[in-house]
Amino acid sequence: AQTVTQSQPEMSVQEAETVTLSCTYDTSENNYYLFWYKQPPSRQMILVIRQEAYKQQNATENRFSVNFQKAAKSFSLKISDSQLGDTAMYFCAFMKPFGGSRLTFGEGTQLTVNP
Amino acid sequence: NAGVTQTPKFQVLKTGQSMTLQCAQDMNHNSMYWYRQDPGMGLRLIYYSASEGTTDKGEVPNGYNVSRLNKREFSLRLESAAPSQTSVYFCASSTTGGAGNEQFFGPGTRLTVL
Repeated sequence: AQTVTQSQPEMSVQEAETVTLSCTYDTSENNYYLFWYKQPPSRQMILVIRQEAYKQQNATENRFSVNFQKAAKSFSLKISDSQLGDTAMYFCAFMKPFGGSRLTFGEGTQLTVNP
Repeated sequence: NAGVTQTPKFQVLKTGQSMTLQCAQDMNHNSMYWYRQDPGMGLRLIYYSASEGTTDKGEVPNGYNVSRLNKREFSLRLESAAPSQTSVYFCASSTTGGAGNEQFFGPGTRLTVL
């Protein structure tokens, strides 16, 4: 079974600064998908970014980028130019390429952006 | 286009009572999922339906049943609620035909079992 670990329960950053959230995972699969989801206080789950394991290039979406280290089974999220609206719980998630496309989530990191 | 909708948004039950959580999606997605979210544990999969007419157990299925009523609707039933089932429940849906597809989530149902 896959496991996903987020070792930082809480983090804080000043507005306009950069912050990196950590995620490690354990799997015997060679091909898979990794996701970061954001959950603001509204409780709505929102996809932030997605990475395909067979792609060497790190995914980027505007101010959000990942550092995907396949050998180390590490998938960190970097948020640049942090904004107050980035305050949320962030979840790292793993998906196998078969078996109903189920997601396995980490425990989450609560990020607070301070003005 | 409402996306994924869930009813109710909040519910309080007494131990032993039963209830059904409703979920519907209007995105013509084949796959639907039920997760529960507990503090410090992220979201855990209860049941999923890869396509209309099929359902499978996830990580924490005990105490729950599901029905894929049609392509749009996927309900979660608690036959005899227990305090351990106090949680926030999320329904999600996605397309199939290839992995790595984004799952779209509903707004969640906060359930308290006394």
